[in-house]
Amino acid sequence: EVHLSESGGGFVQPGGSLRLSCAASGFSFSTYAMSWVRQAPGKGLEWVASIIGSGDTTYYADSVKGRFTISRDNSKNTLFLRMSSLRTEDTALYYCAKSLFYGDFWDWGQGTLVTVSS
Amino acid sequence: LVLTQSPGILSLSPGVRATLSCRASQSVSSSYLAWYQQKPGQAPRLLIYGTSNRATGIPDRFSGSGSGTDFTLTVSRLEPEDFAVYYCQYYDYSPGITFGPGTRVDLK
Repeated sequence: EVHLSESGGGFVQPGGSLRLSCAASGFSFSTYAMSWVRQAPGKGLEWVASIIGSGDTTYYADSVKGRFTISRDNSKNTLFLRMSSLRTEDTALYYCAKSLFYGDFWDWGQGTLVTVSS
Repeated sequence: LVLTQSPGILSLSPGVRATLSCRASQSVSSSYLAWYQQKPGQAPRLLIYGTSNRATGIPDRFSGSGSGTDFTLTVSRLEPEDFAVYYCQYYDYSPGITFGPGTRVDLK
């Protein structure tokens, strides 16, 4: 059974940094593209970033490009999201998600909450 | 690419048919159009991928159709557990991954 568990969320001031982690189990982690998707309180879903199985190629939403970095450690079955220059509008529940292709999110974690506020 | 969903809110009774619309701002490949269901306090769940393919474990009362710029999710007979928010999504390397704003299906 696929299991995704996010951690690392918390409270941070504008301009600050945070690193999210997503521990994966129940599948061959290095085979699949992984992504981060966020949801601001009471709002819809917003794709943030994706990384292919090998980790060689990454993709970002324009809203986070240059500020966020997605990476993975296939030896530890873990996905990361390094967030810097955080803004109040980055406040959201951040989900990690597993794809079969790219962007088709078959499995999701329960999310970790990031709050950016002064 | 912008996805527009209508209506924003759909108020229906159990047992009736629900029809949800998703319109793309440009013609897209039907291979990469998906639908998700999200209930309060839960992560989204993939329902439909490639416009019309049900994901694993999804009941056959859920069906998807469409092409070009117009896509539809149909729930043939609403069950109590189907009252939720539904998002359409386009996923491809170009123009990227985009979600629609969602349609909330409420109990009438």
